[in-house]
Amino acid sequence: NAGVTQTPKFRVLKTGQSMTLLCAQDMNHEYMYWYRQDPGMGLRLIHYSVGEGTTAKGEVPDGYNVSRLKKQNFLLGLESAAPSQTSVYFCASSWQGVSGELFFGEGSRLTVL
Amino acid sequence: TQLLEQSPQFLSIQEGENLTVYCNSSSVFSSLQWYRQEPGEGPVLLVTVVTGGEVKKLKRLTFQFGDARKDSSLHITAAQPGDTGLYLCAVHGSSNTGKLIFGQGTTLQVKP
Repeated sequence: NAGVTQTPKFRVLKTGQSMTLLCAQDMNHEYMYWYRQDPGMGLRLIHYSVGEGTTAKGEVPDGYNVSRLKKQNFLLGLESAAPSQTSVYFCASSWQGVSGELFFGEGSRLTVL
Repeated sequence: TQLLEQSPQFLSIQEGENLTVYCNSSSVFSSLQWYRQEPGEGPVLLVTVVTGGEVKKLKRLTFQFGDARKDSSLHITAAQPGDTGLYLCAVHGSSNTGKLIFGQGTTLQVKP
């Protein structure tokens, strides 16, 4: 079972460049999430989606955009990368909205120079 | 201000020692989850506690939810090198969106 797959695993960008992180899940989950993880700060929610065609802002949405055109995919975009966006990004999915378990991908390490 | 405060942030112990990790808040929660994250991997759910005072055991790991449902602890007995990792507590937000709010995490290193 693939579960939650993130691509790419690693990426180096220059300030001002754009990129898209792709998250794909094969569990038919309705809910999907993008988190970023920085040392000493746990995981912080960037954006999330409660179903195909819907997106909503999380705790730290500035500088990011997302799209959920298909139920199985959740894309995270950086339009103009900044060094403050250097982080490890995790996608997660869940089958229910209340007390559900989140299933995480392996992470995507992004460095912005 | 963090909703969930975990302590300690770092812990380095010898194999065979016991340890306890704490997750505290001033808010009341309907449930609380503990995840473990190994280097280069995403977090994986260990347990969900729901009832105040609840104790759950997972092999050498014992999880407790506070009576008032504001805090939780994770106790590991006779730690093994395989227990090394980042331990995260998390709670669901107020809306039914499934989004989790995480503590800062406790990094545990168990030396052989």
